[in-house]
Amino acid sequence: EAGVAQSPRYKIIEKRQSVAFWCNPISGHATLYWYQQILGQGPKLLIQFQNNGVVDDSQLPKDRFSAERLKGVDSTLKIQPAKLEDSAVYLCASSLVPGLAGEQYFGPGTRLTVT
Amino acid sequence: SQQGEEDPQALSIQEGENATMNCSYKTSINNLQWYRQNSGRGLVHLILIRSNEREKHSGRLRVTLDTSKKSSSLLITASRAADTASYFCATDRGNNRLAFGKGNQVVVIP
Repeated sequence: EAGVAQSPRYKIIEKRQSVAFWCNPISGHATLYWYQQILGQGPKLLIQFQNNGVVDDSQLPKDRFSAERLKGVDSTLKIQPAKLEDSAVYLCASSLVPGLAGEQYFGPGTRLTVT
Repeated sequence: SQQGEEDPQALSIQEGENATMNCSYKTSINNLQWYRQNSGRGLVHLILIRSNEREKHSGRLRVTLDTSKKSSSLLITASRAADTASYFCATDRGNNRLAFGKGNQVVVIP
């Protein structure tokens, strides 16, 4: 079974530039999550999708971050404009059954450095 | 906001010893999960314990949950060098939304 795919793996941009990350979840997984993990901290949930609808985006800084999941499969997370404090690893995860407690499967992450 | 917090944050042990980590949280939960993160395999789910369970085992892992104290512990028995990683507890706030703690760094010395 293929895991969660993310690209790019690394990205360096200057502040005020824009950047986009892509995620392809495990086939058949209805729920998709984006997390932000700052160095030395645990992941923080940014947004949760169930199929192509948003379940929770309460911690997404909506003035600069946006995310979409078209057709309920792949997802993109965009930051525009980026700030220095956005430097982090952005993790995508997916899980099988909507609303049912269970493990989340994480991708390798995209390490973003904002200079 | 509800969040797991692990204690201690860094642990260095000899191979073969046991490692214990604790996690506390502030509000009621549906379940609590433990994850491991290392550079080789990323963030991987280890074990899930539901709010109505008190103890759970999986291989060399033993997890306890005390909902009255809002705390959990993870025990790794007979540690191996490959157990070197950061360990996170995560509380499920409902609908599988996880709040992660800051993590424990465990170093197992061969």
